[in-house]
Amino acid sequence: DTGVSQDPRHKITKRGQNVTFRCDPISEHNRLYWYRQTLGQGPEFLTYFQNEAQLEKSRLLSDRFSAERPKGSFSTLEIQRTEQGDSAMYLCASRSTEAYWKNTEAFFGQGTRLTVV
Amino acid sequence: QQQVKQSPQSLIVQKGGISIINCAYENTAFDYFPWYQQFPGKGPALLIAIRPDVSEKKEGRFTISFNKSAKQFSLHIMDSQPGDSATYFCAASRGSTLGRLYFGRGTQLTVWP
Repeated sequence: DTGVSQDPRHKITKRGQNVTFRCDPISEHNRLYWYRQTLGQGPEFLTYFQNEAQLEKSRLLSDRFSAERPKGSFSTLEIQRTEQGDSAMYLCASRSTEAYWKNTEAFFGQGTRLTVV
Repeated sequence: QQQVKQSPQSLIVQKGGISIINCAYENTAFDYFPWYQQFPGKGPALLIAIRPDVSEKKEGRFTISFNKSAKQFSLHIMDSQPGDSATYFCAASRGSTLGRLYFGRGTQLTVWP
């Protein structure tokens, strides 16, 4: 499978626990995005990376959230001291910036569904 | 503040009918307008996209109409099929930076057989 891969697909955690999600982008894609989607809403931007550099962070990304992409390949999103309001689908997407007018499509993974109880 | 406004929230269409979903935006810096289709439990998948230098783009049964002066764009699904039943999201981004996508809130389409 050469698409965007996310792990785990589902995570149930108790309030106050820390969780970490992983995203493996399409291998030649240098840009990686994290989005959060709550029920009945469109995805909301959290942050994105160009290779290993984190270029933009949304105000939605509180101090409890941190994202890394240490080698410019896979990325992790960690949520510390989870709250019930963190329950959502966390989506990862990747795209290439090599040729602007071609290949601008962002490919999404299937997401990690987080439930905080 | 919702950067991209989408309507209707839900849509029921008979098989063979035309489904129309509308979106509006305010930021004139947007220059890339994709539509995504999402099935339950799956991530969004790109359906079709348009840039503001054209007013219409057609791919099979799916057509985007774009009105730059009105800052509106719409998705038309011709000959709608039960398999088209999904949630559709319009989005926009500033392509020159290939940055974040701003999504609408989605339209849940149900096509009755």
